[in-house]
Amino acid sequence: GAVVSQHPSWVICKSGTSVKIECRSLDFQATTMFWYRQFPKQSLMLMATSNEGSKATYEQGVEKDKFLINHASLTLSTLTVTSAHPEDSSFYICSARDRLRGSGENTGELFFGEGSRLTVL
Amino acid sequence: AQSVTQPDIHITVSEGASLELRCNYSYGATPYLFWYVQSPGQGLQLLLKYFSGDTLVQGIKGFEAEFKRSQSSFNLRKPSVHWSDAAEYFCAVGANGNTPLVFGKGTRLSVIA
Repeated sequence: GAVVSQHPSWVICKSGTSVKIECRSLDFQATTMFWYRQFPKQSLMLMATSNEGSKATYEQGVEKDKFLINHASLTLSTLTVTSAHPEDSSFYICSARDRLRGSGENTGELFFGEGSRLTVL
Repeated sequence: AQSVTQPDIHITVSEGASLELRCNYSYGATPYLFWYVQSPGQGLQLLLKYFSGDTLVQGIKGFEAEFKRSQSSFNLRKPSVHWSDAAEYFCAVGANGNTPLVFGKGTRLSVIA
């Protein structure tokens, strides 16, 4: 099956520093990846759509200068939380679709990474 | 715009009992519908999905769901719950095969002996 890997799975940083989270599709190519944020005991909120070779599309209310997204290749997207603050502490989850699975029973399925828990002190 | 409602925040069932988790969606056309399960501190695993065809879909781990257009519902069921089924369950909807998914707020399932 399709595997999406996130790294790191857990990170603690000091307020004011930047943290980079990687999302890799291990056995398929993904022209589009999605970054979600999940607060404790809450649902997943879409932050942005990451497009390979172009700028990310951010959802309303998400600061693009704070959450930098780079989709450098068909298998890697990165989310950088810049100048992190305690309120940025959250569980960040990436997801991707296999670009070759465009129809049939595989249509629409998102494959999720294991998530990255960020704690900002 | 699409939206998903999961009316039950927390459900507790006895091991071996049947389970039904409710999901209602709002979307003008036939949506792509999904159920995902999340264990604590983990990512999401797809249980099953529907986008066309037979309205009763079978998934992994003995789960099934039925799409009812008239009720805008996609409820998840399992005839006999196991303790390992305790987790958070999310219903999600997508407009088509390329758009991001919109998730419900989730239903936390607890299983007691």
